[in-house]
Amino acid sequence: LAKTTQPISMDSYEGQEVNITCSHNNIATNDYITWYQQFPSQGPRFIIQGYKTKVTNEVASLFIPADRKSSTLSLPRVSLSDTAVYYCLVGPMDSSYKLIFGSGTRLLVRP
Amino acid sequence: ETGVTQSPTHLIKTRGQQVTLRCSSQSGHNTVSWYQQALGQGPQFIFQYYREEENGRGNFPPRFSGLQFPNYSSELNVNALELDDSALYLCASSLGAWQGISGDSPLHFGNGTRLTVT
Repeated sequence: LAKTTQPISMDSYEGQEVNITCSHNNIATNDYITWYQQFPSQGPRFIIQGYKTKVTNEVASLFIPADRKSSTLSLPRVSLSDTAVYYCLVGPMDSSYKLIFGSGTRLLVRP
Repeated sequence: ETGVTQSPTHLIKTRGQQVTLRCSSQSGHNTVSWYQQALGQGPQFIFQYYREEENGRGNFPPRFSGLQFPNYSSELNVNALELDDSALYLCASSLGAWQGISGDSPLHFGNGTRLTVT
């Protein structure tokens, strides 16, 4: 199972773009990259998932270079409500239970 | 679409007691996973159920057990509670790959049960 490494914490200001990078040097060929967001006293919430290149949805973009050894979650124009813990997970698509949550990145958005 | 619901939201137990936590899956989902989240840590996988059978387990002792019912709801049982069992217990449902869909759907989590063992 691929291990991920991400910054423990990040600070930003409202309206800025935030990029959180995750390293996963041992990613396997059939592994996907998935990001979750978690607010205090709530369960994690799925943000975005991708395999290669770029994926974009209504809340975020996910950039994955050709070697797939890292990925970057991009949050455009963050607001105070984006203050949360963000988890990067790597694992096979057909075995979601094999996904391992690390300690995540605590993002603090300031006014 | 009904989301994942867990009960109770909070629970206080004494060391040595037993506890049962409950989870209702999101409608249409057939797979349930349970996670333990200690304060300041990421969720740790306990086990997963599909078609009423356990089909994956993390590094948790046998005193952690579960059930999945025909309606896909689930229970997590913990026997002989220890102080270190104090945590947020999360249930997540998904639509498994065995339905012919290419890959599991993302995990949909409930808001958890906060268990305190004294």
